[in-house]
Amino acid sequence: EAQVTQNPRYLITVTGKKLTVTCSQNMNHEYMSWYRQDPGLGLRQIYYSMNVEVTDKGDVPEGYKVSRKEKRNFPLILESPSPNQTSLYFCASSFSPGTNSYEQYFGPGTRLTVT
Amino acid sequence: RKEVEQDPGPFNVPEGATVAFNCTYSNSASQSFFWYRQDCRKEPKLLMSVYSSGNEDGRFTAQLNRASQYISLLIRDSKLSDSATYLCVVNNGGSQGNLIFGKGTKLSVKP
Repeated sequence: EAQVTQNPRYLITVTGKKLTVTCSQNMNHEYMSWYRQDPGLGLRQIYYSMNVEVTDKGDVPEGYKVSRKEKRNFPLILESPSPNQTSLYFCASSFSPGTNSYEQYFGPGTRLTVT
Repeated sequence: RKEVEQDPGPFNVPEGATVAFNCTYSNSASQSFFWYRQDCRKEPKLLMSVYSSGNEDGRFTAQLNRASQYISLLIRDSKLSDSATYLCVVNNGGSQGNLIFGKGTKLSVKP
């Protein structure tokens, strides 16, 4: 089954404790992205990656890091989480070579609370 | 900053009604346009891609007006199951990987 998986789905942590949210896709997609969704602000892109070792900042990259060492994985790293990073996070992937489709497939979301 | 603007709603309509959502985008270089649907606390899912010629999928019709930088979604014969938030999505200029989402329009279909 074609899918994007994220782990963990729920996480409660404390300020300053480094954490990683994993994202994996099995569709051989080249593009992957991370978004956060907050009430009244909608979905905002944090980082995106066009291919292995190619990443770029989205609208709200401050406080986050990403890496794309393999095509299928795109982890989101919070080196020193703060309460303003409490949010619902989505990973997404799109674009297989040879297609003309840029439809994004989303993971189920990770609800992060930083106290 | 590049923007995608939508009427936040909520749109409260009876079953069977026709409802239209509008969206404007600011980046004239945008090339890809989508409507996504998001149910409460769930991930967004693609409803339709939007093409220059306009496209239809059952009860749903999407239109694109590049000159006015305007996208629309028409839902005919609304069903209770259409209740959701509808997100307008546009790529940011030449980068297909950099998408900008509107804040969404909430639709509530009542019996």
